[in-house]
Amino acid sequence: NAGVTQTPKFQVLKTGQSMTLQCAQDMNHNSMYWYRQDPGMGLRLIYYSASEGTTDKGEVPNGYNVSRLNKREFSLRLESAAPSQTSVYFCASTLGRVTNQPQHFGDGTRLSIL
Amino acid sequence: GENVEQHPSTLSVQEGDSAVIKCTYSDSASNYFPWYKQELGKGPQLIIDIRSNVGEKKDQRIAVTLNKTAKHFSLHITETQPEDSAVYFCAASISGANNLFFGTGTRLTVIP
Repeated sequence: NAGVTQTPKFQVLKTGQSMTLQCAQDMNHNSMYWYRQDPGMGLRLIYYSASEGTTDKGEVPNGYNVSRLNKREFSLRLESAAPSQTSVYFCASTLGRVTNQPQHFGDGTRLSIL
Repeated sequence: GENVEQHPSTLSVQEGDSAVIKCTYSDSASNYFPWYKQELGKGPQLIIDIRSNVGEKKDQRIAVTLNKTAKHFSLHITETQPEDSAVYFCAASISGANNLFFGTGTRLTVIP
């Protein structure tokens, strides 16, 4: 069982470029999440998908879009990357609601925007 | 929204000593408090959680305490080992909600 798989692991972009971060889980989980992790700020929720076909904004959604492609996959898109979006991005999933079951995290995508 | 503060930001202990990490939260409606451990280059992993209907929960060397009146909760690790070295995050949420609010993390170093 791979759990939550994120691709790519590392990426460098120039300001204004676009990029899609991919996330897939093989645990048949219903809910999926995208976080960003910045030094001294912990993990902040960008978007989440409670179930296939639904998406909702988290704390810091500006500059991002998401797609819940199917039950397994949840992608995060930066349409026009900005240096402020340099961060480590984590995808996570849960079987049901996050307060009833543990979140399972991927190992992150380290994104640098020059 | 909820605001979770976590202290200290870094903590060094000798192997075998205890470590305590403290968090406070702002929303009195929060009633679910998990703790996550993040090792270098990995995503966070749940190690223990507590709900507001209990004051303390233990799992081997790890315990969490909750004071609802004061709106703070703490992680206690006893008999620390080098493999406990990691970044620890507390979080808070309302039961049934779909998002967690995380603290800023504590980097724990256990010195052999």
